[in-house]
Amino acid sequence: GESVGLHLPTLSVQEGDNSIINCAYSNSASDYFIWYKQESGKGPQFIIDIRSNMDKRQGQRVTVLLNKTVKHLSLQIAATQPGDSAVYFCAERRYQAGTALIFGKGTTLSVSS
Amino acid sequence: GAVVSQHPSWVICKSGTSVKIECRSLDFQATTMFWYRQFPKQSLMLMATSNEGSKATYEQGVEKDKFLINHASLTLSTLTVTSAHPEDSSFYICSASELGKMANEQYFGPGTRLTVT
Repeated sequence: GESVGLHLPTLSVQEGDNSIINCAYSNSASDYFIWYKQESGKGPQFIIDIRSNMDKRQGQRVTVLLNKTVKHLSLQIAATQPGDSAVYFCAERRYQAGTALIFGKGTTLSVSS
Repeated sequence: GAVVSQHPSWVICKSGTSVKIECRSLDFQATTMFWYRQFPKQSLMLMATSNEGSKATYEQGVEKDKFLINHASLTLSTLTVTSAHPEDSSFYICSASELGKMANEQYFGPGTRLTVT
């Protein structure tokens, strides 16, 4: 059967490795999802987004995968760099509830060189 | 473009006093602004949604009389923490959606660290 990635509060990788950060969302009616990066003491920074009518979207060094069947989202970072070290959050937009975003639990990514 | 600022970036106040935090969209007009709070090592929790010229919509469990939100113009929203207590110490973050753009796009401010002693 299909496995669902578990949310891990921390992830440690070596520079150059690929990183995969997982997120489970709560509302099956959510239609839009965003990944944010947050560095210590700063506000969230947009990374990549995906709509519910897609299952994959690619950006520069990042890919987001959406599995609506199991309400799971993942962020893949290729060739992880020390500057990628931060806390990563997924957020879902509440369908028909304006534009408010509901944030998931964060994952702290630590990249060692 | 699409820069959101917050002022102050950090503030220390005494218990029982009130503190006002400003959120400004610097180069765009914001139809909607959102206020979040974030405790250490936790996620952002939506407190309220404010639309310019109307009353804010508060999330369940957020006291509207304690966290006063004003959104008097398309570029400024303020959050006032009234009669602050140590448990109100947190990182407060605002975000804004740009007028005329897709509502999906939210731009976040840098946050305000509030410490109540």
